[in-house]
Amino acid sequence: QQQVKQSPQSLIVQKGGISIINCAYENTAFDYFPWYQQFPGKGPALLIAIRPDVSEKKEGRFTISFNKSAKQFSLHIMDSQPGDSATYFCAASGDSGYALNFGKGTSLLVTP
Amino acid sequence: DGGITQSPKYLFRKEGQNVTLSCEQNLNHDAMYWYRQDPGQGLRLIYYSQIVNDFQKGDIAEGYSVSREKKESFPLTVTSAQKNPTAFYLCASSIATGLGGYTFGSGTRLTVV
Repeated sequence: QQQVKQSPQSLIVQKGGISIINCAYENTAFDYFPWYQQFPGKGPALLIAIRPDVSEKKEGRFTISFNKSAKQFSLHIMDSQPGDSATYFCAASGDSGYALNFGKGTSLLVTP
Repeated sequence: DGGITQSPKYLFRKEGQNVTLSCEQNLNHDAMYWYRQDPGQGLRLIYYSQIVNDFQKGDIAEGYSVSREKKESFPLTVTSAQKNPTAFYLCASSIATGLGGYTFGSGTRLTVV
């Protein structure tokens, strides 16, 4: 059972555009929502994370928006660059003892 | 530099053989994890360990086994009972489960020949 649903599966954005990736979860015990970036042949790297006490978190060009009532969160990449082309995973976990549950990933291609 | 080391990077296995994937971390993290990555499937949890000498099954534990005899090490054995072992395997660690982000290794690509 997929506990975190991610969309779209793939995304093509022009350089300078905004990339938006969405995730939804079911388990109301989840209280930690990170995003990971993965380049081919490498392990994922933590990009940005949010907890439900805030609705938005921004780090540079990356922003997480969080909607607790809708059980949804999204990643926005502003001014997308070709170097941002990678696979992005959302994830969620809850109380101590829970491992991260990952979405299926979004393959982002930023064209020059 | 602190981090997670997975070895080998590439591994080939004959059908019916067991193989062990190595994962070592020097981050002083208590929790360690094994995920399997297949195209279009995301990361699926195989096993995780919150503390030495303790581990729990994840969503797809069948055909796999682990041990956690040392804090730094969490090897994964892919047994002959795993029917479709060809995949990219990722090891990760964190300060504790449910607390903070994971640090991932660079992965081991296992191919059955």
